[in-house]
Amino acid sequence: GAVVSQHPSRVICKSGTSVKIECRSLDFQATTMFWYRQFPKQSLMLMATSNEGSKATYEQGVEKDKFLINHASLTLSTLTVTSAHPEDSSFYICSAPKPGLADNEQFFGPGTRLTVL
Amino acid sequence: AQTVTQSQPEMSVQEAETVTLSCTYDTSESDYYLFWYKQPPSRQMILVIRQEAYKQQNATENRFSVNFQKAAKSFSLKISDSQLGDAAMYFCACRGNNNDMRFGAGTRLTVKP
Repeated sequence: GAVVSQHPSRVICKSGTSVKIECRSLDFQATTMFWYRQFPKQSLMLMATSNEGSKATYEQGVEKDKFLINHASLTLSTLTVTSAHPEDSSFYICSAPKPGLADNEQFFGPGTRLTVL
Repeated sequence: AQTVTQSQPEMSVQEAETVTLSCTYDTSESDYYLFWYKQPPSRQMILVIRQEAYKQQNATENRFSVNFQKAAKSFSLKISDSQLGDAAMYFCACRGNNNDMRFGAGTRLTVKP
């Protein structure tokens, strides 16, 4: 299989501050990565598609100025939660499809738990 | 975009027995993939089984199999010989040509010893 990592695994921040979450594909290059948010006892909701070399594509209802996505390289995408508020507290998961596989199988990171005080 | 519906918030099965988790979906795309993922308490998403929509034969992976009914847009997961380690949240998902994946609400599976 392939490996996708996320950093940090947990972060606690004060309301009003910004938090950056990294998603890395460790053994393959990913021109596309996906960011999901999962509230407690709920499903994964797609927030945005991160595209290397171009702007991210956001799902309806997701504020692009609040959730800044930068696909800095073929192995790294970052999600920055700007001016975080308690309602942004959630579990954030990224995924990346591995090119060359028959169905572009996606590999998920272990997630980042964000708590905003 | 695709939509996925899981109508069973919770299911329970006796160890060694068989359980079926339900899933229906909707998509306007002709080419798509369907998945079942397992999410244990660690929250790591684990692929259980996948099905290509253009394949009529139901996918199987050891104790896991699916019943794919394309016309009915149904994609259920059958777990045979349930084990304690099968206890987890199970998410059904549909992925279209853009690789964007949509998930159902999930089913929490409890395995009773």
